[in-house]
Amino acid sequence: DAGVTQTPRHEVAEKGQTIILKCEPVSGHNDLFWYRQTKIQGLELLSYFRSKSLMEDGGAFKDRFKAEMLNSSFSTLKIQPTEPKDSAVYLCASNWGVNTGQLYFGEGSKLTVL
Amino acid sequence: GDSVTQTEGPVTLSEGTSLTVNCSYETKQYPTLFWYVQYPGEGPQLLFKVPKANEKGSNRGFEATYNKEATSFHLQKASVQESDSAVYYCALGDTGSFNKLTFGAGTRLAVCP
Repeated sequence: DAGVTQTPRHEVAEKGQTIILKCEPVSGHNDLFWYRQTKIQGLELLSYFRSKSLMEDGGAFKDRFKAEMLNSSFSTLKIQPTEPKDSAVYLCASNWGVNTGQLYFGEGSKLTVL
Repeated sequence: GDSVTQTEGPVTLSEGTSLTVNCSYETKQYPTLFWYVQYPGEGPQLLFKVPKANEKGSNRGFEATYNKEATSFHLQKASVQESDSAVYYCALGDTGSFNKLTFGAGTRLAVCP
């Protein structure tokens, strides 16, 4: 089975631009998560979907970050407008929806904002 | 809110030496605790989890005991290998949906041959 697929793997943006990151979860998985990864903070939850419904939209990230699940096999994370402090790796993860705590992560999208 | 604090890295060890990565947590719930590992160029993956206090989890020679009284979940390995070089994340799972994990900042381990 294919794992979680994230595109692009690398993105460079100018301050103020809009960027869209994409994620395809493992087929059949019902839970989908977006995390931001930095060396200082580690992994911070941005959004959490269960069966395409938004369950949590990370409070600190609400104003410029918007995650959507257009269908059960595709999600996007839009950052608008980007700021240099948004430079990080954005990780997407999925799970069947059963409470196991075992998340399957993609390799991440590394964003650099100049 | 929930929080996880772990040993600040990087940690550099020689092959064959022992490892301890400290992890402490704060929550009002009775969580499930996790250790995840991230190898270079990959996403994090589950190392093991422990759902109950006073129980031990283990995998690949790593182990940790859920200490509810001390709110700790320290990761240990008796003898590390170069292939253990990675970033290790301690995490706790929300009682309502323990798929929703709160992670620590991660501890980078470098093992020298």
